[in-house]
Amino acid sequence: GQNIDQPTEMTATEGAIVQINCTYQTSGFNGLFWYQQHAGEAPTFLSYNVLDGLEEKGRFSSFLSRSKGYSYLLLKELQMKDSASYLCAVTDSNYQLIWGAGTKLIIKP
Amino acid sequence: NAGVTQTPKFRVLKTGQSMTLLCAQDMNHEYMYWYRQDPGMGLRLIHYSVGEGTTAKGEVPDGYNVSRLKKQNFLLGLESAAPSQTSVYFCASSSGTGQVVPQHFGDGTRLSIL
Repeated sequence: GQNIDQPTEMTATEGAIVQINCTYQTSGFNGLFWYQQHAGEAPTFLSYNVLDGLEEKGRFSSFLSRSKGYSYLLLKELQMKDSASYLCAVTDSNYQLIWGAGTKLIIKP
Repeated sequence: NAGVTQTPKFRVLKTGQSMTLLCAQDMNHEYMYWYRQDPGMGLRLIHYSVGEGTTAKGEVPDGYNVSRLKKQNFLLGLESAAPSQTSVYFCASSSGTGQVVPQHFGDGTRLSIL
């Protein structure tokens, strides 16, 4: 079966760095997405990885290791507005997105 | 700057009632999707469409029907609502398939079935 695992909840301090991990087992792989979803709102696109390595976008970076079936999202200089759920999704061999349940990130002052 | 618009935003139904959720996008996207989001679970694909006049089943299609008569609209119908269909429904659109191309989401419809 297809499976994506993320921690359910994480807590971090304003100004700090946090790493959210995602492991996946899917039938084929055509890329991995990270989305941000604030409570009661729509998911919004953050990043995309298809090759191994690190992709950096301002305070956010995403890493992929295809051989390990592993990705992480790194958030630096955390702000209160970063409190949200972070969704990992993998595109399988049929180009369908398989979604993880999301990691709820709580930022404390 | 509308993007993807879903109506209604909230709805309460009684078991056995029917209703239609409307999704409209103004980005000229070919692909459109309907998902449901339940606590503790990832987004699950109900139905999707790769172009006007086409629809296909996703992971959890039972109890739902869809239509894509116009490129910009994607309708999701519940024929006979059941309490198990209480969920938040999201519509999304994209200009291509999953690779490289992100999906753009509407704000969701919160549906309760009593």
